[in-house]
Amino acid sequence: GDSVTQMEGPVTLSEEAFLTINCTYTATGYPSLFWYVQYPGEGLQLLLKATKADDKGSNKGFEATYRKETTSFHLEKGSVQVSDSAVYFCALFGSGGSNYKLTFGKGTLLTVNP
Amino acid sequence: GAGVSQTPSNKVTEKGKYVELRCDPISGHTALYWYRQSLGQGPEFLIYFQGTGAADDSGLPNDRFFAVRPEGSVSTLKIQRTERGDSAVYLCASSLGDRGRNTEAFFGQGTRLTVV
Repeated sequence: GDSVTQMEGPVTLSEEAFLTINCTYTATGYPSLFWYVQYPGEGLQLLLKATKADDKGSNKGFEATYRKETTSFHLEKGSVQVSDSAVYFCALFGSGGSNYKLTFGKGTLLTVNP
Repeated sequence: GAGVSQTPSNKVTEKGKYVELRCDPISGHTALYWYRQSLGQGPEFLIYFQGTGAADDSGLPNDRFFAVRPEGSVSTLKIQRTERGDSAVYLCASSLGDRGRNTEAFFGQGTRLTVV
């Protein structure tokens, strides 16, 4: 079945540092890929997405590129802020008959210190 | 309201009791999903409704779990004879479409269930 593996946390960075959170997936066909973020005390929010190979999703300074050859969707940000402290989840929508069901990674807790 | 609303936000119950968790989706969203998030894990799919019908309930862990959506809007997740292992955050999400790559799911803040 579909699965998502993402970098174990927690990750602690200083403000303005570069961020990478690795994500790889296993799925049949051509899944859609997502990064969700969960800020303290809030619900899951979609951060960015990519629906086909080589697409780049971007939002709020975060980027991730759908790499089919390496089955990866790594999240990056050039300069993190304290307000980026949250839990980040990589996820996929399966293709074909299960393209409504999100499969999530375990999440990566990011803490950014001033 | 503008978002997905879940009530209660917290529920503590004794082992063996029955609980109901409510989800009020975004108005006009035909698709509704329940997920369960255990400590240190990502959300896991439980059930998907399209309108009033459960299109996929393959994620429900056993027959103690049941969910309804009688009028195609509000949904209730029901857990009978609760066990300590049911303790988790139960998340509800809704989306506009039936299926498709570009259909974004919007999540509620979840109900934290603790079985003691």
